[in-house]
Amino acid sequence: AQSVAQPEDQVNVAEGNPLTVKCTYSVSGNPYLFWYVQYPNRGLQFLLKYITGDNLVKGSYGFEAEFNKSQTSFHLKKPSALVSDSALYFCAVRDTGGYQKVTFGIGTKLQVIP
Amino acid sequence: GAVVSQHPSWVICKSGTSVKIECRSLDFQATTMFWYRQFPKQSLMLMATSNEGSKATYEQGVEKDKFLINHASLTLSTLTVTSAHPEDSSFYICSARDEARGRYTDTQYFGPGTRLTVL
Repeated sequence: AQSVAQPEDQVNVAEGNPLTVKCTYSVSGNPYLFWYVQYPNRGLQFLLKYITGDNLVKGSYGFEAEFNKSQTSFHLKKPSALVSDSALYFCAVRDTGGYQKVTFGIGTKLQVIP
Repeated sequence: GAVVSQHPSWVICKSGTSVKIECRSLDFQATTMFWYRQFPKQSLMLMATSNEGSKATYEQGVEKDKFLINHASLTLSTLTVTSAHPEDSSFYICSARDEARGRYTDTQYFGPGTRLTVL
């Protein structure tokens, strides 16, 4: 079975500082990896995805994520955090093999402090 | 592009009544839509996969007779919570997969969610 782990319930970072939200995954085959952001009482917004190719993926709002196959990680990063980045972030994975469903992590709350 | 809407955004109903939630893909056609349930401070729980023109595929533990799903067109899926009880109170989110843009990648585009409160 595939799974996603987001080891931090909450990440606090000062405005202007770089941020990292961690994600590790487990699949039997090759992964498709996604990051989504959720604002209060709203649905999820797609940020970025890794399918194949360059390990560093750039997405919306200045976010990027780095795929590391050996560490089975897909951490979300941004060089300079904004207060408006404060939200709930979900990592998700889909196995390109037999299990087709997308599995979401439990989410990490990002708090950017002015 | 790739906008998904949900209606209503919130609903309060009495125990025992039924509630219908609509999910629409506004600028693309979606042969596949997904219905999720989200509890406070928890991740999304996939309830069912809605397939246009055929029966929905329900996840283990989800009662198909209680959560009726209809995907009658390429832009509309509905979730009906029948005989709702307070324990059905939750945030329900739908998503749609744009086959043209997300082919083989499963990029899902999410609706804004529906907050259901059953009294």
